[in-house]
Amino acid sequence: DAGITQSPRHKVTETGTPVTLRCHQTENHRYMYWYRQDPGHGLRLIHYSYGVKDTDKGEVSDGYSVSRSKTEDFLLTLESATSSQTSVYFCAISEPMLAGGYNEQFFGPGTRLTVL
Amino acid sequence: GENVEQHPSTLSVQEGDSAVIKCTYSDSASNYFPWYKQELGKRPQLIIDIRSNVGEKKDQRIAVTLNKTAKHFSLHITETQPEDSAVYFCAEAGGTSYGKLTFGQGTILTVHP
Repeated sequence: DAGITQSPRHKVTETGTPVTLRCHQTENHRYMYWYRQDPGHGLRLIHYSYGVKDTDKGEVSDGYSVSRSKTEDFLLTLESATSSQTSVYFCAISEPMLAGGYNEQFFGPGTRLTVL
Repeated sequence: GENVEQHPSTLSVQEGDSAVIKCTYSDSASNYFPWYKQELGKRPQLIIDIRSNVGEKKDQRIAVTLNKTAKHFSLHITETQPEDSAVYFCAEAGGTSYGKLTFGQGTILTVHP
């Protein structure tokens, strides 16, 4: 497995509380992504980063914010958690090809978040 | 936005049979099509990918075909084994999308010994 870790791996929280999930990589890959996985929906992109301090929204970004202050860390914050944000969250990394196009995306181990 | 439809949602085969999973996409700019395998409780892992300048790619028992005109691509697994049982996801990315992937809904493959 590529050098990607996520913390925490499991979290239970209450509605209305802020939550921050961390993704840490040791591969020095430029691109980083946050996905959520829910039954029947596959994986859906929340936010992504294409460089330090460069981030943008994905398909399901409402209620989430991100920050990337250094290459190796990408943080996902739920400002005020809701039950609909109960999910498994995966971080992924990739490095663009020099000639254009994409290399493989490597996924972290995931964080299971439960919002009561 | 981009949309990827994946079928079937579940697939049950006997060991040794072939399995085929199909995906269609809507964005004509899509040019990268990976397939991921996810075992229960684990992270998705790439098993094969294909780029838009290639119509078919094979890696041992796994092959992927791409029809850009019809906007569909398929995963073929031959001589299935029980350890092939997992959830399989197709995905696509476009030319200027920073590698963002749009995933299909997933196919639960069960291989019976």
